[in-house]
Amino acid sequence: SYVLTQPPSVSVAPGQTARITCGGNNIGSKSVHWYQQKPGQAPVLVVYDDSDRPSGIPERFSGSNSGNTATLTISRVEAGDEADYYCQVWDSSSDHQVVFGGGTKLTVL
Amino acid sequence: EVQLVESGGGLIQPGGSLRLSCAASGFTVSSNYMSWVRQAPGKGLEWVSVIYSGGSTYYADSVKGRFTISRDNSKNTLYLQMNSLRAEDTAVYYCARFDDSSGYTDYWGQGTLVTVSS
Repeated sequence: SYVLTQPPSVSVAPGQTARITCGGNNIGSKSVHWYQQKPGQAPVLVVYDDSDRPSGIPERFSGSNSGNTATLTISRVEAGDEADYYCQVWDSSSDHQVVFGGGTKLTVL
Repeated sequence: EVQLVESGGGLIQPGGSLRLSCAASGFTVSSNYMSWVRQAPGKGLEWVSVIYSGGSTYYADSVKGRFTISRDNSKNTLYLQMNSLRAEDTAVYYCARFDDSSGYTDYWGQGTLVTVSS
């Protein structure tokens, strides 16, 4: 089955840029989605289809996807961005499986 | 406004059964793809199952043969029947609306906790 690999943790100072990666075999050929989850809350979609933002998500959140790595970039990081972030893909053509990455804890120093 | 409200969680002994419900409002369950995602305590998100608008169903290998996803169109409600429960099924279970073109989840319920323990 398809595997998505994320770093367990990323740390960044306020105002700096955080980059969270999601690795997978030829992930550039898939649509990648990103979720933010704060403690005790349900996940929230922050980027879909590699780089699109749902309404209400700040422009500071952006995404890219190429080759074997997708990346979520958070610019001008704020304390409120501290959360777990998950990438996700969907195999709609063969086994119809939905796959999540293991998650990355973003710490704002 | 789209809302998803799960219910049915609780404490159950290993080997037991439980049915989770997810009442939807603001949209029609039968016209959408719907999924269940779970999260074990302190762990990451794990996809469990999806039902397509046409009725096709798919499961993660970890629950295949034990869990069944279904819906009641008259009640606009999604279900997850869980049988032969194991300790490793302990998790918060989220109901979610699933995009049918590229597979993202745009709406999530608040989750319901299932604890499998003797």
